[in-house]
Amino acid sequence: AQSVTQLGSHVSVSEGALVLLRCNYSSSVPPYLFWYVQYPNQGLQLLLKYTTGATLVKGINGFEAEFKKSETSFHLTKPSAHMSDAAEYFCAVSQDNTDKLIFGTGTRLQVFP
Amino acid sequence: DVKVTQSSRYLVKRTGEKVFLECVQDMDHENMFWYRQDPGLGLRLIYFSYDVKMKEKGDIPEGYSVSREKKERFSLILESASTNQTSMYLCASSLDDPRDTQYFGPGTRLTVL
Repeated sequence: AQSVTQLGSHVSVSEGALVLLRCNYSSSVPPYLFWYVQYPNQGLQLLLKYTTGATLVKGINGFEAEFKKSETSFHLTKPSAHMSDAAEYFCAVSQDNTDKLIFGTGTRLQVFP
Repeated sequence: DVKVTQSSRYLVKRTGEKVFLECVQDMDHENMFWYRQDPGLGLRLIYFSYDVKMKEKGDIPEGYSVSREKKERFSLILESASTNQTSMYLCASSLDDPRDTQYFGPGTRLTVL
């Protein structure tokens, strides 16, 4: 069965520091991978996704993620954190390449001034 | 812009009541989803609909049912609400393609007393 693991339910960084949110997946087929962000009191919105092609994917708000098949990872990074990045971040994989997603348990990012 | 709306942001009901949560999308998407979001558990799929009157159980369908009479509207029904159904409920929609983005509504926070 497919699954998604997000290491660290809470991550804290200083403003201007590197953001690294970890995501590992298990999949028996080449996966479609997604990162979503949830700001307080809002629904989720897509940050970026990997389907095929270039393994380094750029998203909104300066975030990017790299699909590493050998490590079964899709970690999310941003070179310099901003206060407005404080939110909860979810990694997801499409279930057997169907329209359904399997979500990780989420990582709450705090940014300190 | 895709818009997914949910009928209520906050809802308080009593144990045993029948509860209806409504979701409407305006982008002619084939797929609609109902998720439940709980701290530390991420998003869990309750039900999925891939066409009018068509539905599939997700990972946690017990105690819930759904209805999709029109393409744009997907309803979640709690036949007899229980306190363990207190949660955040998120609706989403997408095109009929596993690479497609799921678009989320703002969520309904349901409290069952």
